Amino acid sequence: QVQLQESGPGLAKPSETLSLTCSVSGGSITSYYWSWIRQSPGKGLEWIASLYYSGSTKYNPSLKSRVTMSVDPTMDHLSLRLTSVTAADTAVYYCARLVGDYYHHMDVWGKGTTVIVSS
Amino acid sequence: DIQMTQSPSTLSASVGDRVTITCRASQSISTWLAWYQQKPGKAPKVLIYQASRLESGVPSRFSGSGSGTEFTLTINSLQPDDFATYFCQQYNSYLFTFGQGTKLEIK
Repeated sequence: QVQLQESGPGLAKPSETLSLTCSVSGGSITSYYWSWIRQSPGKGLEWIASLYYSGSTKYNPSLKSRVTMSVDPTMDHLSLRLTSVTAADTAVYYCARLVGDYYHHMDVWGKGTTVIVSS
Repeated sequence: DIQMTQSPSTLSASVGDRVTITCRASQSISTWLAWYQQKPGKAPKVLIYQASRLESGVPSRFSGSGSGTEFTLTINSLQPDDFATYFCQQYNSYLFTFGQGTKLEIK
């Protein structure tokens, strides 16, 4: 059964670039869409980006100018890069697998990694 | 953006009760809606997808219905493990959006 595990720095300073990784085990990255979602007390659950293993990406317009999602199928992991972070980016960040023929829902989630943005 | 509005925000119920949570979309999403359960400190877990399809392994006391803009999640015969927060999420368009959540509490 596929399992996802997010990892990140835990703490970031304002204006820095945040880099997160999602390791995929027990299944293949290929033939699926993948997403990053974050959750904060103030904004609830917020979809950040989705990517097909071959590289096609979709981004939340509110974050698009600062976000890059990528995949490394040889290493079985996904990455998320968020530039110029502020306190508003403080959240638990999840990666998730999407399934479905054309419309995709999230069937497997990682446990999440907490990111605090503070000087 | 498609706005998702859940009601109620908090629901108090007892073991054995039947409860219903409602989710409304700001525009039609056909049946492209999922329901998730989340417990403190844990990731969301999918219960229902495509409005009414039960995810594998989810107990049959959970059911979903609706289409267009109005959807419901029903839990029959509440069990102690069901007290959690529930979210709806639309995936009709690629700006996925979530409801604000319904916290189901023990009465």
